[in-house]
Amino acid sequence: NAGVTQTPKFQVLKTGQSMTLQCAQDMNHNSMYWYRQDPGMGLRLIYYSASEGTTDKGEVPNGYNVSRLNKREFSLRLESAAPSQTSVYFCASSAWTGEYLFFGSGTQLSVL
Amino acid sequence: SQQGEEDPQALSIQEGENATMNCSYKTSINNLQWYRQNSGRGLVHLILIRSNEREKHSGRLRVTLDTSKKSSSLLITASRAADTASYFCANAGNNRKLIWGLGTSLAVNP
Repeated sequence: NAGVTQTPKFQVLKTGQSMTLQCAQDMNHNSMYWYRQDPGMGLRLIYYSASEGTTDKGEVPNGYNVSRLNKREFSLRLESAAPSQTSVYFCASSAWTGEYLFFGSGTQLSVL
Repeated sequence: SQQGEEDPQALSIQEGENATMNCSYKTSINNLQWYRQNSGRGLVHLILIRSNEREKHSGRLRVTLDTSKKSSSLLITASRAADTASYFCANAGNNRKLIWGLGTSLAVNP
C-alpha cells in the first residue's frame, strides 16, 4: 500500500518551459489536491478535485492546469513556468473533502 | 486569504518536557485537523477532532477544541528528539475546505 505517490521528486526548469507533475493514490479516495508550500506562506491550495470528473480552483490557480485522469490520478501542469512558481509542491488525497489528508512526499521545483 | 493563527511560531524544549501548541480561527469550525511535517517531507495526519468533540487522545498526543473561542491546542507529552518537526493545524469549515495555519516549529533538544 503506497498511499500517495508523486513524481518527480526534483525538477529544474527554465523560464517558459512546461512540465507535468504526476500524482496517484491507491486508497480509493474521492478527493485529491495540489498544494504549494513556500517559506512563511504555509500551504496554499492550487487546485482540487472533490470527486472523479470534477476540478475546482483553489487559492492560487493562475499559471496551472489540472487533470483528474481517473479516480486514482490527478496531474498538475505548468504550461509556461515562471520563477514565481519555484516552490515545493504536494499532492494529497482524502476520502471526501473536509476529511483528513494523506500527502505525497513532495516535488521540489526550481524555475530559473 | 483566510488562514488560521498558530502560536507560538517556534518552540524549543528539552526532551521529556511537554510541548503545547495553539491554533485559532476567525471562521467556524467543522472539524480541526493537526499534522506533522518533518524537514523535507510531506505532512502526516495526527488527529482530527470534530466540532462536537472537546478532547481527543492518541498516544502521547492530546488535542482539545473550544468552539466558543474558536481555538484548539495540541499537547505532546514527554517529548522526544524525534518529535522535532513543524506542526500545522487545518480547519475544515462549513464549506469543508481546509484553512491552514502557518505552523509551529518545534525543536526538542536531547
